Formats: sequence, C-alpha cells, structure tokens
Amino acid sequence: KAGVTQTPRYLIKTRGQQVTLSCSPISGHRSVSWYQQTPGQGLQFLFEYFSETQRNKGNFPGRFSGRQFSNSRSEMNVSTLELGDSALYLCASSLHRRTDTYEQYFGPGTRLTVT
Amino acid sequence: AQSVSQHNHHVILSEAASLELGCNYSYGGTVNLFWYVQYPGQHLQLLLKYFSGDPLVKGIKGFEAEFIKSKFSFNLRKPSVQWSDTAEYFCAVNAEQAGTALIFGKGTTLSVSS
Repeated sequence: KAGVTQTPRYLIKTRGQQVTLSCSPISGHRSVSWYQQTPGQGLQFLFEYFSETQRNKGNFPGRFSGRQFSNSRSEMNVSTLELGDSALYLCASSLHRRTDTYEQYFGPGTRLTVT
Repeated sequence: AQSVSQHNHHVILSEAASLELGCNYSYGGTVNLFWYVQYPGQHLQLLLKYFSGDPLVKGIKGFEAEFIKSKFSFNLRKPSVQWSDTAEYFCAVNAEQAGTALIFGKGTTLSVSS
C-alpha cells in the first residue's frame, strides 16, 4: 500500500505570495491532519480534516487554510507569505478520527522556503 | 493549554548503553500517548503508543515506554542502543476532545557512537 504522498517536495516563494500544498493520504484513510515543523517551534498542529470537514484547528492565523476533497486528498493554502512561514509542512493520515487503535502515518513533507 | 516537555535536547551514548528519554505532559483529562522517531532523511514513524490498559507498552526495535499517570509522564526506554538508533525522538499527546490532533514535544536528538 502506498504511503502518504505530498507534493511538491520543495518550494521557494517570495514574501507576499501565496502557496498551495497537496497531500494524498493512504488509500482508505479518511482523516488528514497538517503540521508545521520549524527548528524553533518544533512540530505544531495546523488543522484536521475528516469527510471534507475541518474538525479541529490549531493556533495559526487565518492566512493558513485548507480543504479536503471527496477522495480524501487534502490541500493547504498559505496566503500573503511571511519569512516566518518557512518550514517543513507535514501531512498525516489515519483511518479513523479517534478510536482506541488509531494512529497517524506521516508523509515526507513539503519544504517551503520564503525569501 | 496542553503542552509536552522533553527533558533532553541532545543525548549522546555509546553502543550498548541504556537509554531513557523523559517526556511529561500537561493535561488533566484522558490522553493517548505516542513516541515517534525520525531517522535522518526519513519520515516520522510511530515507535509505540499508549491508549489504555497495561501502562508498560512495547514498540518496534526493542523500545518500550511506561505511562505513569500520577506523574503525567511517558518515558521512553531501551536497554541497549545501537548505532542505527541515531535519530530524533518525539513524544506526542492526543487529548480526548482534540480529534486526531497531536501535541508534540520539541524532540530529543539521540547520537549513538559505535
């Protein structure tokens, strides 16, 4: 079974631009979560989608948004990029939202550099 | 707000030494607990998890962790480390009302010399 895939793997953008990152979960997984990883703040939860609905959101400004499609693929968008948005963006998928046995599988991430 | 603290930022060990990485969390309700590992150049992968039951859980590659509820701790252990255990280790907590959202610690870099 293929793992979580994220595209693109690397991206360089300029301040003020906007960017869209894509995540394809493991086949059959319905929950997709996004995380931002930086050296200073570590791994921080952005949001979770399940059945095309945002179920939970972390403490990030409204410039960060996302969506999930009917095939469970997800995209996240960052508008008006700032230098501080440079990070590794990780996507994780899980079969269920939260049961006694759920676990999240992480993708390789998209490395975003804002100049 | 929930938080996770990992006590050691960087641990350096020789092969065959024993390992214990500390993890404490702040949340008073029911939690699920996880340890993830990130080997150089690889994805985050799950080492072990605790949901309920026996507080001593065993994971892959000989790792285990003990949940001590009274101390809000979930320390990771391995009796004898190998050079291949060199990686970054993350403790994570999922709170009951948070869906699948994980709160991660800042991570501990483990360097094992052969």
